[in-house]
Amino acid sequence: QQQVKQSPQSLIVQKGGISIINCAYENTAFDYFPWYQQFPGKGPALLIAIRPDVSEKKEGRFTISFNKSAKQFSLHIMDSQPGDSATYFCAASRREGNTGKLIFGQGTTLQVKP
Amino acid sequence: DVKVTQSSRYLVKRTGEKVFLECVQDMDHENMFWYRQDPGLGLRLIYFSYDVKMKEKGDIPEGYSVSREKKERFSLILESASTNQTSMYLCASSLLGGSRPAFFGQGTRLTVV
Repeated sequence: QQQVKQSPQSLIVQKGGISIINCAYENTAFDYFPWYQQFPGKGPALLIAIRPDVSEKKEGRFTISFNKSAKQFSLHIMDSQPGDSATYFCAASRREGNTGKLIFGQGTTLQVKP
Repeated sequence: DVKVTQSSRYLVKRTGEKVFLECVQDMDHENMFWYRQDPGLGLRLIYFSYDVKMKEKGDIPEGYSVSREKKERFSLILESASTNQTSMYLCASSLLGGSRPAFFGQGTRLTVV
């Protein structure tokens, strides 16, 4: 119930295309779903996050779509650019006592070809 | 900006050595975390702490211990390093409570030979 499953493991997209990464979770107590972006040699950085009271959140070219009934959420990168090439992690957390530990997906390595 | 600083970018240690990984954050966050990153496995939580001297085991605590003597500092200790602990180690911090973003350090690439 603590798992977050992410797919695909790797993704190759042409410049200008749409990149889509999917995540699924089991625990209905999760109430925060962030996405992290990691460039080689760097730590992950928060990209965008959503809470289950909304079905979509958009920030620039990045959009999270959230389907509460299916327990799935996805990251869409519109007009993908070579600079978006990175590893992306979805995550989930819940109000578990006083902690805020994040459960991460397995990661998706995105390559955007020029 | 939140800054989480890990003391080393790269470390090479011998099997059986005691290894200390240090992490410092400057945003007065209550929570601090140690994750391990391996290809295809994502980020797995080793230990976390929500207050000074408080610690809780994560998903893979075996072979590791932690210390938090000051709010801003969280140390990961490999009591007797083994080759299967060769990995990228990431420290993170966040405010207390659920539904909070975590801020990561740049990572320490540890190689045990």
